[in-house]
Amino acid sequence: EPEVTQTPSHQVTQMGQEVILRCVPISNHLYFYWYRQILGQKVEFLVSFYNNEISEKSEIFDDQFSVERPDGSNFTLKIRSTKLEDSAMYFCASSEEGPGGLDTGELFFGEGSRLTVL
Amino acid sequence: QQQVKQSPQSLIVQKGGISIINCAYENTAFDYFPWYQQFPGKGPALLIAIRPDVSEKKEGRFTISFNKSAKQFSLHIMDSQPGDSATYFCAACRTYSGGYQKVTFGTGTKLQVIP
Repeated sequence: EPEVTQTPSHQVTQMGQEVILRCVPISNHLYFYWYRQILGQKVEFLVSFYNNEISEKSEIFDDQFSVERPDGSNFTLKIRSTKLEDSAMYFCASSEEGPGGLDTGELFFGEGSRLTVL
Repeated sequence: QQQVKQSPQSLIVQKGGISIINCAYENTAFDYFPWYQQFPGKGPALLIAIRPDVSEKKEGRFTISFNKSAKQFSLHIMDSQPGDSATYFCAACRTYSGGYQKVTFGTGTKLQVIP
């Protein structure tokens, strides 16, 4: 079964350092997303990406964040200067082009990248 | 208006019992209401979903009840099993022109099914 893969599974970094989280979405999907989950809290939307540009971003996604699809398979989230409060699990998700049928908008999530900022 | 309120925060159910999780939303632009199941260390996975033109959807032991006028929906897990122990998130989606969806998650319910 196709799946979204994310690397690294866990990254520890010093405050102020740059971090890049990588994702390989499901190959025929066209819509890509990043979400984050602070430990024990709800999953929060960060950004959606389609046709090589950001479709929508949340207030969390400030100038320190950027996304890129550098090639035909990878989708990356960069945090330029990490802060302590960036510590969270970051989930990549992808979905098929929709909305045609009932469930074409289903988001498929990766297993997440845990970021720890010290 | 983008919030989705979910309750309870945690739930303990005996094996074989019924687990009920409730959610409420404000924004009538939401057009798709999925439930996600998350096991520790894993990403959320779609469990079951419903469109607002349907009042109930059942898949196996899982049922969504949807009340459009009250802007509430709930997940019922019949014959709950220890393997159902996980965190459950309700969500509300808005589909924008061009097809992409923005999913707004509820705060999650940690379900524990005890033998």
